Amino acid sequence: EAGVVQSPRYKIIEKKQPVAFWCNPISGHNTLYWYLQNLGQGPELLIRYENEEAVDDSQLPKDRFSAERLKGVDSTLKIQPAELGDSAVYLCASSHRGRNEQFFGPGTRLTVL
Amino acid sequence: KQEVTQIPAALSVPEGENLVLNCSFTDSAIYNLQWFRQDPGKGLTSLLLIQSSQREQTSGRLNASLDKSSGRSTLYIAASQPGDSATYLCAPASGSARQLTFGSGTQLTVLP
Repeated sequence: EAGVVQSPRYKIIEKKQPVAFWCNPISGHNTLYWYLQNLGQGPELLIRYENEEAVDDSQLPKDRFSAERLKGVDSTLKIQPAELGDSAVYLCASSHRGRNEQFFGPGTRLTVL
Repeated sequence: KQEVTQIPAALSVPEGENLVLNCSFTDSAIYNLQWFRQDPGKGLTSLLLIQSSQREQTSGRLNASLDKSSGRSTLYIAASQPGDSATYLCAPASGSARQLTFGSGTQLTVLP
């Protein structure tokens, strides 16, 4: 069984530029999560999807961050414009309804210069 | 709001030792608790999921215990190996959304 796939693995951009991250969850997992992980810290939830519906986006900075999960499978997280403080690792995870065990992708390491 | 503390923040042991990693959380009303390992520059790998009704969960050389009432979990690693070197994170699931809250992790180094 393939795991959670994320791309790109690394991204370097200048501040004020836009950036997008892509995630493909484990097949059959209806719940998808985006997390932010700063160096030396545990991940923090940004947004959670149940199928194509964003059911918890309270931690997503909506002035510059947006996300979508069309057709309830793949998801994209976008930042526009990026700021220096956005440099971090962005992790995607998925889980199957009822089990609540989350499986993580390798993450995208973003560096904003 | 759930808060998670992991002690120690870093641990270095010689190969072959048994060791215990500690996790404490402030809100005991949890649904389950997951232990993860994270290798440098990698994502999180799920090690064990322990349900709130369980006291222990075992996988190979790993054993996780849960004392929900006192807000504590431990991860026991038997006969440690250099390949066990990684950061270990615990994350209880709480709230109506069963949201995971992560600690900052314990960075383990097993010396050959």
